[in-house]
Amino acid sequence: AQKITQTQPGMFVQEKEAVTLDCTYDTSDQSYGLFWYKQPSSGEMIFLIYQGSYDEQNATEGRYSLNFQKARKSANLVISASQLGDSAMYFCAMIQTGNQFYFGTGTSLTVIP
Amino acid sequence: DSGVTQTPKHLITATGQRVTLRCSPRSGDLSVYWYQQSLDQGLQFLIQYYNGEERAKGNILERFSAQQFPDLHSELNLSSLELGDSALYFCASSVVGLAGGEQFFGPGTRLTVL
Repeated sequence: AQKITQTQPGMFVQEKEAVTLDCTYDTSDQSYGLFWYKQPSSGEMIFLIYQGSYDEQNATEGRYSLNFQKARKSANLVISASQLGDSAMYFCAMIQTGNQFYFGTGTSLTVIP
Repeated sequence: DSGVTQTPKHLITATGQRVTLRCSPRSGDLSVYWYQQSLDQGLQFLIQYYNGEERAKGNILERFSAQQFPDLHSELNLSSLELGDSALYFCASSVVGLAGGEQFFGPGTRLTVL
């Protein structure tokens, strides 16, 4: 079974609008962490945001927020006020017991002017 | 610039050969991680080192090995290379372990096996 599922291969959003990128995860661990990364077309990987399973509040980093719904096992990334520079691949990932780390297949986001 | 350096940037080699990829973490970071990104397998975590010791192992093949040296730089050794090993290999570093969040990635080494 997939540990991390990203069901949206591609997404489009109008500049200045908000967009939600979906991520669901599968674990029976109580302690785990969830990550989002951005990979622009230039190829580098950029860490965006982290949420621990025991964190009660949703993580936020500037225009990025992680909508953490533990019971539904979802960790959606919300990007507010999209910018052209947000066009990139976005990967959701999870770390669980034993520092085992899993990535999703990614969502390609295109911001339209 | 993340502060993480990787050399070489590109590497082209033949099947059956052995290569070494090098990573220097950000100053002060004790943890180094290696990842592989290929068209077939997507992004995969290979291995983590913390202050010279192996901390976690992911989908790393037996033909691959890594180490972290006393100066904290790390090397990933890939041997008996196969066509399917062609990929982008990322190194990342963080102050402590993964559970805490922020990692800083190097620009990657693009390996092509012919």
